Amino acid sequence: AQKVTQAQTEISVVEKEDVTLDCVYETRDTTYYLFWYKQPPSGELVFLIRRNSFDEQNEISGRYSWNFQKSTSSFNFTITASQVVDSAVYFCALSEEAGANSKLTFGKGITLSVRP
Amino acid sequence: NAGVTQTPKFQVLKTGQSMTLQCAQDMNHEYMSWYRQDPGMGLRLIHYSVGAGITDQGEVPNGYNVSRSTTEDFPLRLLSAAPSQTSVYFCASSSGGAHGDYGYTFGSGTRLTVV
Repeated sequence: AQKVTQAQTEISVVEKEDVTLDCVYETRDTTYYLFWYKQPPSGELVFLIRRNSFDEQNEISGRYSWNFQKSTSSFNFTITASQVVDSAVYFCALSEEAGANSKLTFGKGITLSVRP
Repeated sequence: NAGVTQTPKFQVLKTGQSMTLQCAQDMNHEYMSWYRQDPGMGLRLIHYSVGAGITDQGEVPNGYNVSRSTTEDFPLRLLSAAPSQTSVYFCASSSGGAHGDYGYTFGSGTRLTVV
């Protein structure tokens, strides 16, 4: 069975600090997909990134970066120079398949508070 | 706008009442699913469907019913509401297919309170 662990439950930082959100996953499949979603106070789920298991290249998008390491089954998310607008709940999720039979398993989420 | 539409956005039910949460997508996605979000629990899969006429149970299916008569619609039925079903419900659809376009689109959620 697949599992996602987000050990951090709440993180509080001051604006402009860097912050890393941890995600550890478990799966028996060799092909899988990892996701990060942001849930701002308004409640919707905002897609941030998808990573395939066969692509370990790290990714940077503006102030956001992701570090995927299969050796440690981790897919960590770093926000550089955090801003108040980054305050949200962040979910890491795992899917063992692509396509019609896929199931998305979420971690419990990390509440990030960025103080001015 | 294309996407996943959930109705209603808010609902209060009395214990024992029944209701249907509606979900519709216009992206021709085969895969649709329902999740519930509870504090400290993340999102948990209730039921899912891999196509019209095909549904299956997820992690927390008890107390919920689904059907999929069309590709576009995937309603979630609460047969006899209980306070334990107080939650935020999200519907999602998935593109499936090639790696490049694989992803999930979520509705805006339904906040349900059972009193």
